[in-house]
Amino acid sequence: SQTIHQWPATLVQPVGSPLSLECTVEGTSNPNLYWYRQAAGRGLQLLFYSVGIGQISSEVPQNLSASRPQDRQFILSSKKLLLSDSGFYLCAWSVMPHSGNTIYFGEGSWLTVV
Amino acid sequence: QQPVQSPQAVILREGEDAVINCSSSKALYSVHWYRQKHGEAPVFLMILLKGGEQKGHEKISASFNEKKQQSSLYLTASQLSYSGTYFCGTSQGGSEKLVFGKGTKLTVNP
Repeated sequence: SQTIHQWPATLVQPVGSPLSLECTVEGTSNPNLYWYRQAAGRGLQLLFYSVGIGQISSEVPQNLSASRPQDRQFILSSKKLLLSDSGFYLCAWSVMPHSGNTIYFGEGSWLTVV
Repeated sequence: QQPVQSPQAVILREGEDAVINCSSSKALYSVHWYRQKHGEAPVFLMILLKGGEQKGHEKISASFNEKKQQSSLYLTASQLSYSGTYFCGTSQGGSEKLVFGKGTKLTVNP
């Protein structure tokens, strides 16, 4: 069966520091991968999605970036964090390359920028 | 492109019914429903593809009217475990993107 893991689960970072969140999927090949962010009490905002290695689509212009160095690995990064970057970050995956595919979320990473 | 959910919040007593609506200004290929408990990741409930089908999951069912670009989630005889925030996610044809509404917070009290 397929599983998704993301880490770290929780982190507190000072403003201006870098960020790296990592996500890996097991049990499937060539998945679509996604990063969502959820600010406190807010909805799910799509940040990036990837349909293959090195293929990244950005949905929201900001100081975050994403990379997919391997088929089942997705990384969210920032060179300098802002207070507004605080939130609950969710990695997700799907296997169908067409609309209608179901996405499954990882456990999430809580980021607090202080 | 973000779908609009209504109502924003619902408070029920155990055993009561609720309906959560999701609408879009764009033509839809699919609608996805998720439930999120506080502090946890969203959990997939069901997916509806264009064709006006209705699906069920225990006492939770949903419909999709592609002509009206609307979907509704029906919760019957609600249980305490149904509490959480419900999100609908929508996609257009040919896109891998899934865009979510702002969510509907459902509280079921004893």
